[in-house]
Amino acid sequence: KAGVTQTPRYLIKTRGQQVTLSCSPISGHRSVSWYQQTPGQGLQFLFEYFSETQRNKGNFPGRFSGRQFSNSRSEMNVSTLELGDSALYLCASSSPLENTEAFFGQGTRLTVV
Amino acid sequence: AQRVTQPEKLLSVFKGAPVELKCNYSYSGSPELFWYVQYSRQRLQLLLRHISRESIKGFTADLNKGETSFHLKKPFAQEEDSAMYYCALRARLWGSEKLVFGKGTKLTVNP
Repeated sequence: KAGVTQTPRYLIKTRGQQVTLSCSPISGHRSVSWYQQTPGQGLQFLFEYFSETQRNKGNFPGRFSGRQFSNSRSEMNVSTLELGDSALYLCASSSPLENTEAFFGQGTRLTVV
Repeated sequence: AQRVTQPEKLLSVFKGAPVELKCNYSYSGSPELFWYVQYSRQRLQLLLRHISRESIKGFTADLNKGETSFHLKKPFAQEEDSAMYYCALRARLWGSEKLVFGKGTKLTVNP
């Protein structure tokens, strides 16, 4: 099976802009979670989608949003970018029904200038 | 609230020495515990999960509910073990797959 794929791998954006990141989960996995990884805060949970529904949300401002499509692919959007949004954004997929662990993508490195 | 604590940010050992990476958690229910590893320029990948009770790459970890710990151990460290190690907890509240991570321990195994 192909692994979790995230696109793009790298992004450079200007403050105030918005950005959309994409995640294709492992085939058959219906749960997709997003995490922000920074040197200071480590790995922080953003949100989780299962069957196109947001099931859980972390403590991030409303500028961070996401969605999931019927084929389980997911996107996250960050509007009105701030310098502090610079981070590695990781996507993970899993199959709760099969009690799998979370499989991670390689991440999208976002730099806000 | 769920919390995972990894007290050591950095850990340095010599090749062949035993290594123990500490992980303590806070959760009132029945947690699932994991160790993930991130080698240089590679994606985060699962090393161990407590329910499988396996030994992977010589590493073992035992869930101690009394001490709320899930320490990772290896009797003889190898240079290729150098990496970032993250302990994580999955609460599965309301079916959620949310993982709570510790801040990570950077392990360096010196020749």
